[in-house]
Amino acid sequence: DAEITQSPRHKITETGRQVTLACHQTWNHNNMFWYRQDLGHGLRLIHYSYGVQDTNKGEVSDGYSVSRSNTEDLPLTLESAASSQTSVYFCASSDSYGLDDTDTQYFGPGTRLTVL
Amino acid sequence: AQSVAQPEDQVNVAEGNPLTVKCTYSVSGNPYLFWYVQYPNRGLQFLLKYITGDNLVKGSYGFEAEFNKSQTSFHLKKPSALVSDSALYFCAVRDSLSGNTPLVFGKGTRLSVIA
Repeated sequence: DAEITQSPRHKITETGRQVTLACHQTWNHNNMFWYRQDLGHGLRLIHYSYGVQDTNKGEVSDGYSVSRSNTEDLPLTLESAASSQTSVYFCASSDSYGLDDTDTQYFGPGTRLTVL
Repeated sequence: AQSVAQPEDQVNVAEGNPLTVKCTYSVSGNPYLFWYVQYPNRGLQFLLKYITGDNLVKGSYGFEAEFNKSQTSFHLKKPSALVSDSALYFCAVRDSLSGNTPLVFGKGTRLSVIA
């Protein structure tokens, strides 16, 4: 069955370190998204991609970067981790706009990141 | 611009009673509306969506939602709540005139079903 996975599931790091969170989907979806979830803020969009070599900034992109070299993966990099980036991070994917299943996003299980 | 609001942070309901989780939206064109559920320590799961057509949409686990254009609402409902329905529920919207912009999610409503 198709799925979307994230790794690691838990990560503890120190302020200033570079951290990369992995997201891999086997849905063959063109669209991929990264969100962070914090109490009181719900889900906030960090970056998204509509295809290989395409990346776009979301609502809270400062301090984060992504790259899309293939359809299956969209790694999220924290260039220099800060305590304010302690959060739960979710990756999601969806099919291209214009098809029957457009907009329905399928979410990974999440990565809990703690920055000390 | 598109936005969505979930006016209640928490909803408590007794098992067996009907439940409603509220969602209102704001768009310039036509709305594409979604409900997702999140169980503890899990990712969000798709429940149902409204794109066009019948205003009453039926989804997974016995949930349904009613699209009301005049009230710009898309409330999630279930006739008889189960303890296992206790979770965090998110409403999301995309504006048909927004091009390829992603979904906008509400802040979530925590549903507690009490036995």
